[in-house]
Amino acid sequence: SQQGEEDPQALSIQEGENATMNCSYKTSINNLQWYRQNSGRGLVHLILIRSNEREKHSGRLRVTLDTSKKSSSLLITASRAADTASYFCATALNNNDMRFGAGTRLTVKP
Amino acid sequence: DVKVTQSSRYLVKRTGEKVFLECVQDMDHENMFWYRQDPGLGLRLIYFSYDVKMKEKGDIPEGYSVSREKKERFSLILESASTNQTSMYLCASSFRDRISGNTIYFGEGSWLTVV
Repeated sequence: SQQGEEDPQALSIQEGENATMNCSYKTSINNLQWYRQNSGRGLVHLILIRSNEREKHSGRLRVTLDTSKKSSSLLITASRAADTASYFCATALNNNDMRFGAGTRLTVKP
Repeated sequence: DVKVTQSSRYLVKRTGEKVFLECVQDMDHENMFWYRQDPGLGLRLIYFSYDVKMKEKGDIPEGYSVSREKKERFSLILESASTNQTSMYLCASSFRDRISGNTIYFGEGSWLTVV
């Protein structure tokens, strides 16, 4: 079964605005990861946050993790048209077999 | 750079055919995965393998089998293709049991159409 569920399913913003996507999961985790997928391509790893971390930054990306609520958020600041893609969170049931949600489709309008 | 290569980008097969999707990785990863991706359903894990000749069922293994004879190669087999197996198939690999977490590396995907 799906482990991570992203929200919203789709998000449309103007260039320069911030984009926030959320992920909820069901079981205890060792870490949570976010991936990006350009249309029709494979997924690319963006960032990993461990269960003992609450926040992590990488460039324009900010990820938070709340293990008490079993949720995570991905914030993309100062979005660009090139950020248009689908974004997925992923968790591992036993640190090996990764499960993904249905993703959030982000559209950034120039 | 890690490279996960899927042998075919686009395939069209007939119902009932046996279909092989091949995947090779060059990073000496222990884990390899096959997912299928359908609109609105995200990625669903079909099978994964954590070592040569080892395999574990994912969430939707029915109608599929896998083979891992060598560490770098993981094959997905559709014994008798059906139209409901029309989908995009993604192969991926990762190290196993890294305390820092196992980042997954994906291939570019194989679009399979069963007619």
